[in-house]
Amino acid sequence: ILNVEQSPQSLHVQEGDSTNFTCSFPSSNFYALHWYRWETAKSPEALFVMTLNGDEKKKGRISATLNTKEGYSYLYIKGSQPEDSATYLCALGNYGGSQGNLIFGKGTKLSVKP
Amino acid sequence: DTGVSQNPRHKITKRGQNVTFRCDPISEHNRLYWYRQTLGQGPEFLTYFQNEAQLEKSRLLSDRFSAERPKGSFSTLEIQRTEQGDSAMYLCASSLVAGQETQYFGPGTRLLVL
Repeated sequence: ILNVEQSPQSLHVQEGDSTNFTCSFPSSNFYALHWYRWETAKSPEALFVMTLNGDEKKKGRISATLNTKEGYSYLYIKGSQPEDSATYLCALGNYGGSQGNLIFGKGTKLSVKP
Repeated sequence: DTGVSQNPRHKITKRGQNVTFRCDPISEHNRLYWYRQTLGQGPEFLTYFQNEAQLEKSRLLSDRFSAERPKGSFSTLEIQRTEQGDSAMYLCASSLVAGQETQYFGPGTRLLVL
C-alpha cells in the first residue's frame, strides 16, 4: 500500500509566525507532487506542481521544496496570516504509471490566531 | 464562474435510498475525476474519465456506485442503496491532460446517510 505521510497533523500558530509542514512519500517511481490548500466550505486550491528533484516554487508568502531522492517535500509559510488557516494537502501524481489520479496524504490543518 | 461546480452541495438521505451527484468541469478540460474524502482522511480516488470514456475505477467503487459522463461534458455519480459508510465528501476535479497537469477541484458534495 502506497503511503503519503504528512506531518504534523495539525498546527496552531500566532499571526506573524512562520511555519512549515512535511510531506513524505516513496522515492521510487516518482512522477509529480502536488500541493493544495483547502479552506472550509471552499474548493481545494492548487498551490504547486513539482516534478524535479531540487525544485523550489513560490507563491506569495508560500513556498515549497522537493527532494525526490529521499522522498519528501516541505511547504513553508512566511509570516502566517489568519487567512492562511486551512488544511494543506500533498498528493502524488501518476505514481507508478497510474493514469493521473492523485494519491493524497491526510493533510496538515493550520490554524492562525490573530 | 469558470471553475468546477458540483450539485448539490449537501445531501441528507436515509439508508437504502439512491442518490445522484452532478459535476460540471471546466469546459475545455477532457479529464474528469471523482474522489471521496471521509473524516480524518485525505481524498481517495474513485474513478476518472477521459472525454466520455471511463478509463479507471478504484476498488473503492463498489457495485452500488456508477459514474457516467455522457458526451464528455458533465458527469454524474450515483450511489444505489446507500449505506451509512457512504457518508463522505464527494469531490470532482478536472484537468486538461494527464501527467503533471493540475487538477482543479469543485467544492464537493457532502453526503450524510442516516
